[in-house]
Parts: sequence; C-alpha cells; structure tokens
Amino acid sequence: GAGVSQSPSNKVTEKGKDVELRCDPISGHTALYWYRQSLGQGLEFLIYFQGNSAPDKSGLPSDRFSAERTGGSVSTLTIQRTQQEDSAVYLCASSREGQGEQYFGPGTRLTVT
Amino acid sequence: AQSVTQLGSHVSVSEGALVLLRCNYSSSVPPYLFWYVQYPNQGLQLLLKYTSAATLVKGINGFEAEFKKSETSFHLTKPSAHMSDAAEYFCAVSDGTGGGADGLTFGKGTHLIIQP
Repeated sequence: GAGVSQSPSNKVTEKGKDVELRCDPISGHTALYWYRQSLGQGLEFLIYFQGNSAPDKSGLPSDRFSAERTGGSVSTLTIQRTQQEDSAVYLCASSREGQGEQYFGPGTRLTVT
Repeated sequence: AQSVTQLGSHVSVSEGALVLLRCNYSSSVPPYLFWYVQYPNQGLQLLLKYTSAATLVKGINGFEAEFKKSETSFHLTKPSAHMSDAAEYFCAVSDGTGGGADGLTFGKGTHLIIQP
C-alpha cells in the first residue's frame, strides 16, 4: 500500500512568515509522529499523536511550533514567525497502535531566508 | 531520560568486508531499540528492531544486531558489505512505556562508506 506522504517536498520562506507542513500517514495507522532533522542537531522528536489521546508535545522547541491531527488521519505542523534556525528537514512517521516500528515519509525540506 | 551514542560519524569498509556500526544506549527502563537507514534525499527505512524477545535480531538486506544488556549495546553488523549499503545509519531507542510506540530518541548517525 501507499506509504507516508508529505507535502510540500520543499518549502522556501522568508523569515517571519508562517508555514504549514502536511503529513498523510499510512491508512490504518493510529500513531503519528513529527521529527526534525538538521545538520547541527541531528534527528529530534517534536510531537506524537496516538488515536484520540492528548498529543505528546514534549519535543516542540518553542511555542511557535504547533501541530494538529484532524479526524485521526492527516496532520499539519505549523511554524509561526519562522526563524533561520527553523531551516531543516521535517519528517513525519506513522505506526500501528502498540507497534514499535515507525514508517517515515520522505520529509519536507524547509529553508528560511 | 534516554540517550543513544553512535561511535564513529563515518565508517569506511571495503566491498565484501564485515560491516560493524556501534550503538550504545542509556535507558532507565527496558528499551525498544531500532536501526534505521537513510539513503540520500530519502526518508528513514527500518532495518530491524529489538523488543525484548530474541537478543539477536535479523533485519533486511542481510543486517543483524545483537542486544547486550550488560554492555548497553546494540551494534549493527553485516558479514559482507555491498556498494548499495552506502548510506547514513541511525540507531534509536524508545523507553518502551508506550509499547515502543512513543517518540524515538536517535543517535547522531553513522555515514557508511563502501570502498570498491
């Protein structure tokens, strides 16, 4: 079946603008994760959604970052007032409930100029 | 808190030689451990996982890893390297309280170079 999809694949934005990144998880996967990959920080966990439970936001770096998951499926990661240090590849992953393995999308490369 | 240390940001081996990528973890509870591979400009692909069953775990593409609790290690090996194995490899840990289904903590990654 189809894997995790993310859009856009690339996004260039000016400092101070807001951006929205989209993730479509694998059908039937109840858990959804966002990670950030940058040269300086490596792979960092941002946020985790599991079914209808309150999300685990413990990895979000600042209150400029937020995420929603509508209908238990598609998720949007929003970064407000972008800064140059937000430039990174944002990866989304999904998994079945109770399963450890996470399946990753191709990522969105965000460049803040 | 949990953490992962991957020894060697770059590892170079000859084609046909043994591949050994090192991973040590720190976790206050029995961990779930994973190895992922990332090819250029692609997402991460799961190679294998340890979830407290057999300590020797076999994965895809001929890779395997052994969980050693006494050494807090989960090193990745492959008997014979192939040119197509050139990629970035990440070790990751989950503390297991969510059945392994919570956010992963990743190591910094090891870039595997295969010499012809």
